[in-house]
Amino acid sequence: DVKVTQSSRYLVKRTGEKVFLECVQDMDHENMFWYRQDPGLGLRLIYFSYDVKMKEKGDIPEGYSVSREKKERFSLILESASTNQTSMYLCASSPRGGPDTQYFGPGTRLTVL
Amino acid sequence: QKEVEQNSGPLSVPEGAIASLNCTYSDRGSQSFFWYRQYSGKSPELIMSIYSNGDKEDGRFTAQLNKASQYVSLLIRDSQPSDSATYLCAVLTNTGGFKTIFGAGTRLFVKA
Repeated sequence: DVKVTQSSRYLVKRTGEKVFLECVQDMDHENMFWYRQDPGLGLRLIYFSYDVKMKEKGDIPEGYSVSREKKERFSLILESASTNQTSMYLCASSPRGGPDTQYFGPGTRLTVL
Repeated sequence: QKEVEQNSGPLSVPEGAIASLNCTYSDRGSQSFFWYRQYSGKSPELIMSIYSNGDKEDGRFTAQLNKASQYVSLLIRDSQPSDSATYLCAVLTNTGGFKTIFGAGTRLFVKA
């Protein structure tokens, strides 16, 4: 079974703090993704990576950065957290090639006060 | 126009009925289509994928694809209360590179 884990289920941070969200997958997948999910807006892609050290902007990259130093780990960084970044953050992975079936982690619910 | 559009619901059906969930997409070059189920407070999980026109059946689930109409649907036969969840339609597009676009989801309630 594919397992995607995320470092925290719930996180509360203050405005202006730097926030790190970690994601680890154990299936040797090349592709990894970070989404945020908000009511009525669905899943929106923040960043994705097709390989180690590679990153591509998604639809809403502003205010975020990412790091992929190892194949199994993909980190999302909020450089200076703001209240409008309060959301559910979901990490996903998928194997290279194929139809891009994505496997999701449990999610991190981030609240920025 | 949203790239992948779904009725947000909620869609309410009685136990044992057929639930019909619909999705339209804007990119004619889309190649692969997926249905994910998301229980409240949980992350999405894949339940069906479909790549060619027609129907694809898996147990109580049937995915239907009509590329000419840019329409994909999910039928759930003999609906159970455990099917109550949000169903996300996802489309693999090829506009500006391959990318999966998710719809906002349809909430389904199955009443016992």
